[in-house]
Amino acid sequence: AQSVTQPDIHITVSEGASLELRCNYSYGATPYLFWYVQSPGQGLQLLLKYFSGDTLVQGIKGFEAEFKRSQSSFNLRKPSVHWSDAAEYFCAAGYTGGSYIPTFGRGTSLIVHP
Amino acid sequence: NAGVTQTPKFQVLKTGQSMTLQCAQDMNHEYMSWYRQDPGMGLRLIHYSVGAGITDQGEVPNGYNVSRSTTEDFPLRLLSAAPSQTSVYFCASSDRPSTDTQYFGPGTRLTVL
Repeated sequence: AQSVTQPDIHITVSEGASLELRCNYSYGATPYLFWYVQSPGQGLQLLLKYFSGDTLVQGIKGFEAEFKRSQSSFNLRKPSVHWSDAAEYFCAAGYTGGSYIPTFGRGTSLIVHP
Repeated sequence: NAGVTQTPKFQVLKTGQSMTLQCAQDMNHEYMSWYRQDPGMGLRLIHYSVGAGITDQGEVPNGYNVSRSTTEDFPLRLLSAAPSQTSVYFCASSDRPSTDTQYFGPGTRLTVL
């Protein structure tokens, strides 16, 4: 069965520091990959997505993610974190011919210290 | 476009009561789904629909019913609320199956006493 793993439940960083959130997927084919952000009390919003082509994907709010087929990973990065980035981050994956609904990871909670 | 809307935003029920959580989208999306979000559990899929008149169960369907009479609406019914159904509920829609962006509503926070 397809699965998406986010190994870190919580990540704490200082404002201005760099950030990397990990995501690993388990699929037979190359998946379509997504990162979503959920601000406190809000629904989920798409940050970025990867379908094919360039393995480094740029998203909103200064985020980027890199697809690494050899590691089955799609890690999210930001060079300098702002206090407003404190939120829950979800990785998700789907693939053509698979289930109708993408598979979500359990989420990583980002805490930003001033 | 309003996107995906959910009502109510907050609801308190007593055990055994029934209610319907409303979800509507104005993007003409075929695919709609309901999730519940609990601390430490991430998003869990309750039910989903691939078009008007077609629904299927997700990971945690027990205690919930859905129907899809129109493309726009996808209500979630709790037949007899239980404290274990205390959660935050999200509705989502997409234009294509799992390979497309999911658009989420703002959520409904439900407490069952």
